[in-house]
Amino acid sequence: ETGVTQTPRHLVMGMTNKKSLKCEQHLGHNAMYWYKQSAKKPLELMFVYNFKEQTENNSVPSRFSPECPNSSHLFLHLHTLQPEDSALYLCASSQEKERNTIYFGEGSWLTVV
Amino acid sequence: EDQVTQSPEALRLQEGESSSLNCSYTVSGLRGLFWYRQDPGKGPEFLFTLYSAGEEKEKERLKATLTKKESFLHITAPKPEDSATYLCAVQAVDGNNRLAFGKGNQVVVIP
Repeated sequence: ETGVTQTPRHLVMGMTNKKSLKCEQHLGHNAMYWYKQSAKKPLELMFVYNFKEQTENNSVPSRFSPECPNSSHLFLHLHTLQPEDSALYLCASSQEKERNTIYFGEGSWLTVV
Repeated sequence: EDQVTQSPEALRLQEGESSSLNCSYTVSGLRGLFWYRQDPGKGPEFLFTLYSAGEEKEKERLKATLTKKESFLHITAPKPEDSATYLCAVQAVDGNNRLAFGKGNQVVVIP
């Protein structure tokens, strides 16, 4: 148990569907992240939120839409995805300070059919 | 751009056979270097953070070291439960807390 909870753990969706991934952190952190992990590739940072404000969008296509209603919750809204978007989506959180550790959730496995 | 290269990509060890994993990095200014362990189907689990050259940290059979260009994760007398993918990541001073990851070292320890 890392203190970062992601739901659902597994999701299969069609290319025309709309779905959302949810992340909740119980660590009192004020920064949250979405990472994408594809086979044989390094983890790729998608979005960063500090104190609920988006501070980084790493050239992510608009079919991925993040939402951060408060410092404990983060969503990733998915719409008209492509099969190549199938991957493990990891949420993470940290404290916004000079030296911090980023803690990850267990991830949401997404398959786009 | 921050770059992280891990070698070897895959490693098979006999139980008790010690070995080392390498993480070479290029970063404009290092804030921290992180090691994570990832089991299949799970998220990365934090192991260590190293902040300056010469620093070392240990946890059970794992020991991480850091120089100005690379980090090593030494696995001493590994057990089958040490089988996992080990991820290295760097955080730059001006990087907005983001981590740049390597592809990982996949370790299999055979009983």
